[in-house]
Amino acid sequence: GESVGLHLPTLSVQEGDNSIINCAYSNSASDYFIWYKQESGKGPQFIIDIRSNMDKRQGQRVTVLLNKTVKHLSLQIAATQPGDSAVYFCAENRSGATNKLIFGTGTLLAVQP
Amino acid sequence: SAVISQKPSRDICQRGTSLTIQCQVDSQVTMMFWYRQQPGQSLTLIATANQGSEATYESGFVIDKFPISRPNLTFSTLTVSNMSPEDSSIYLCSGATGAGANYGYTFGSGTRLTVV
Repeated sequence: GESVGLHLPTLSVQEGDNSIINCAYSNSASDYFIWYKQESGKGPQFIIDIRSNMDKRQGQRVTVLLNKTVKHLSLQIAATQPGDSAVYFCAENRSGATNKLIFGTGTLLAVQP
Repeated sequence: SAVISQKPSRDICQRGTSLTIQCQVDSQVTMMFWYRQQPGQSLTLIATANQGSEATYESGFVIDKFPISRPNLTFSTLTVSNMSPEDSSIYLCSGATGAGANYGYTFGSGTRLTVV
């Protein structure tokens, strides 16, 4: 069936380094993608989103890249901080009648001081 | 963005019983969704809660097990019926605002359910 998956289940980085979290999606009809951060005991928190008519979008310390040719999404976090330690999910929206979000597997980002 | 409150935040329940989880949004949302997140895993969509009509369930989830209500644009409930230990999970409510291709999605903090 259709799915959104991640390549790296766990990523460990040193404080101050840049982090790159990857995600693959399977449905070429998806037109909206969101990255979420989830800390322990909390719900997913919006980080950044991107629509299929774009290939890059930047926020504060974060950049999302979209490669529709290979159905790949990445989240780049600059100057990673201990507060960035969390699980990161990409989510895929197939706009239309339902507008529901389908979540990827998740990557645990561990920032070492 | 909308703020979503869920009650209870956690519960421990006996097998065979049912638990109803409430989701309250501080503003009207176009769509509401219920997700399940098993320990160490991602979020799996259970159903879309439709205002004034029956929920739309995803494959593997049925109304008899997870009845959902959505009486208005700011409130929804999910019931986990006849619980077994396999239902132990975090249940999350989500609200979406917007129209067409412009939706914003917000999540509650979840309800951590343990079935013993």
